[in-house]
Amino acid sequence: GAGVSQSPSNKVTEKGKDVELRCDPISGHTALYWYRQSLGQGLEFLIYFQGNSAPDKSGLPSDRFSAERTGGSVSTLTIQRTQQEDSAVYLCASSLGDRGWETQYFGPGTRLLVL
Amino acid sequence: AQSVSQHNHHVILSEAASLELGCNYSYGGTVNLFWYVQYPGQHLQLLLKYFSGDPLVKGIKGFEAEFIKSKFSFNLRKPSVQWSDTAEYFCAVNAGSNAGKSTFGDGTTLTVKP
Repeated sequence: GAGVSQSPSNKVTEKGKDVELRCDPISGHTALYWYRQSLGQGLEFLIYFQGNSAPDKSGLPSDRFSAERTGGSVSTLTIQRTQQEDSAVYLCASSLGDRGWETQYFGPGTRLLVL
Repeated sequence: AQSVSQHNHHVILSEAASLELGCNYSYGGTVNLFWYVQYPGQHLQLLLKYFSGDPLVKGIKGFEAEFIKSKFSFNLRKPSVQWSDTAEYFCAVNAGSNAGKSTFGDGTTLTVKP
């Protein structure tokens, strides 16, 4: 079946512009996660959704970052007034549920470059 | 707060050598532990995981990991690596009330020379 998809695959933007990153989870997966991976570093947790609710937003770096999920499916991560330090690969993952032992299935990521 | 430490950033081995990648976590309660792998040009995928039962866990492609609670460790092992094992390996922990929040280590890049 289809895996997690993300769009765009690459995004180049100018400092100060807003960007939207999209994630389509695996059909039937109720939990969805956003991570950020900067060069040479591990995955940094940003936020996760169970259904359309976000029980844990603790990883969002600033109020410039927001995310939503509609219909228990597609999610959008929005970064307002982008800064150069926002440049990273943004990864989305989904799992069947949000129990701690669930396997997360990752998408290919969106590579964001802020000039 | 939970954290994960991977001791080796880059490991270079020859084919048929044995592999052990270290992973330590900090959390005092019940944990779920994972190793994920990212092969060149591919998505991150699960290699193996531990959440209960036998602390020696076997995963895909001949990998295994042992959960040692007293040492807060979950080291990854493979007795004989192949060139195709060249990849980046991430250890992750998911703990307690933060069921949906996994903390990842910085990753270890494994290069296997043919």
